[in-house]
Amino acid sequence: DAGITQSPRHKVTETGTPVTLRCHQTENHRYMYWYRQDPGHGLRLIHYSYGVKDTDKGEVSDGYSVSRSKTEDFLLTLESATSSQTSVYFCAISERSGSNNEQFFGPGTRLTVL
Amino acid sequence: KNQVEQSPQSLIILEGKNCTLQCNYTVSPFSNLRWYKQDTGRGPVSLTIMTFSENTKSNGRYTATLDADTKQSSLHITASQLSDSASYICVVSGPNTNAGKSTFGDGTTLTVKP
Repeated sequence: DAGITQSPRHKVTETGTPVTLRCHQTENHRYMYWYRQDPGHGLRLIHYSYGVKDTDKGEVSDGYSVSRSKTEDFLLTLESATSSQTSVYFCAISERSGSNNEQFFGPGTRLTVL
Repeated sequence: KNQVEQSPQSLIILEGKNCTLQCNYTVSPFSNLRWYKQDTGRGPVSLTIMTFSENTKSNGRYTATLDADTKQSSLHITASQLSDSASYICVVSGPNTNAGKSTFGDGTTLTVKP
C-alpha cells in the first residue's frame, strides 16, 4: 500500500462520540485525501490537503474536520459521530495535484457507529 | 452533473475465461480515465490511465479501451485467474482537476471461480 498506513483499521463507536482516524505516509507526498466508500456511492471525497496546515473541503465534508500538522500525518475527525457516518474510510496520497497523477490508497478503516 | 456508470454491477466467470467490464461517463470536459482494481479489504490500485488521444492501453492481461466520442470505456480481462476476483473502479477526471475531485464509478465486482 505504497507506504501508507491507517489507524485504527476497525472501530465501533456510539452515536455522539468523537472519533479520530489517522493516516500516516512515508512517501513525503504533498497531497493527502480522505474518502468514504459506501455501497451504491463509490468513493467520495471528504477533505484533502495540499500541504502542512493547508486543507480544503470535498463533496461530503459536513460533519468532518481534518488537520495536517506534519507532512506525514493527516487526521480525520468526526466531532460527534452519527449512524450515517458508518462507512469504510480511505486515505490517499499523491505527489502532485493534477488528475494525471496517480493516487495511492491506504488499506482503509472500517467505522461502525451504533 | 458529472457521472460515471459501470456495468454490470457484478459478474461471475470461470477461471481461464475472458470478460469485459463497461464504463460510461458524462464528465465534461474530459481529461483522463483511470481503471482501478480493489481487492477485498484493501485500497484501490491503479491499473491503467488513458487520456483523450489514447484509445487502448494494456497492463498484462488487462486491456482498457476508450471511445471519447461516445464517452465509453471498457476493461477487458484475458485468461482470468482467481486473483482477478476484485472490484474494478472506473474514475474520470476533467482538465486541471485536483486528483481528489475526480468522479468515481460504483465499481463492478468480479468473481472468478475455479
